[in-house]
Amino acid sequence: KAGVTQTPRYLIKTRGQQVTLSCSPISGHRSVSWYQQTPGQGLQFLFEYFSETQRNKGNFPGRFSGRQFSNSRSEMNVSTLELGDSALYLCASSLIQGRNTEAFFGQGTRLTVV
Amino acid sequence: AQKITQTQPGMFVQEKEAVTLDCTYDTSDPSYGLFWYKQPSSGEMIFLIYQGSYDQQNATEGRYSLNFQKARKSANLVISASQLGDSAMYFCAIRGGSNYKLTFGKGTLLTVNP
Repeated sequence: KAGVTQTPRYLIKTRGQQVTLSCSPISGHRSVSWYQQTPGQGLQFLFEYFSETQRNKGNFPGRFSGRQFSNSRSEMNVSTLELGDSALYLCASSLIQGRNTEAFFGQGTRLTVV
Repeated sequence: AQKITQTQPGMFVQEKEAVTLDCTYDTSDPSYGLFWYKQPSSGEMIFLIYQGSYDQQNATEGRYSLNFQKARKSANLVISASQLGDSAMYFCAIRGGSNYKLTFGKGTLLTVNP
């Protein structure tokens, strides 16, 4: 059974550009969440998608957006990149929404903004 | 709001010995899930073990066990028979509230010495 797949693994972008990250959840999982990890702020919740709808959103500016497709794959987009957006972006896959649902992460996409 | 506190920034253990990583949490929700993840230097967040707030028994997964003390709001991870490959950052997380997001602690860096 394949795990959570995130692509690409590494990205280098220039300030002002935009970027799209992809996440394919575990087969059968319908919930996808995104997290940003930085040395200063730790792991922070970006948003969660379930059944193609954004269900929850963290405290990030509108430059951060996402979507989920009918096959549960999700994409995250960051527009007008800033140096501070350099981080490891992790995607988590869960079977359903819920407090007592296990969440499995992908290997992450390491974004560097120069 | 949920909060996770990991008071040990770093821990050292000898190979083949057991080690306990501390985690305390704060939540006003009666229903929640507690998780431990391992993050090696490669960045991938590896799911280790899960404990539901209503679970009567402590969770165990191979060499990992969770010492869940609900009244004290603690969920310590016990790793038995440490291996060199256990060297990594370990995160405790709670999932609860109305948005089901994972809230992480700052992590504990475990180093296993030969």
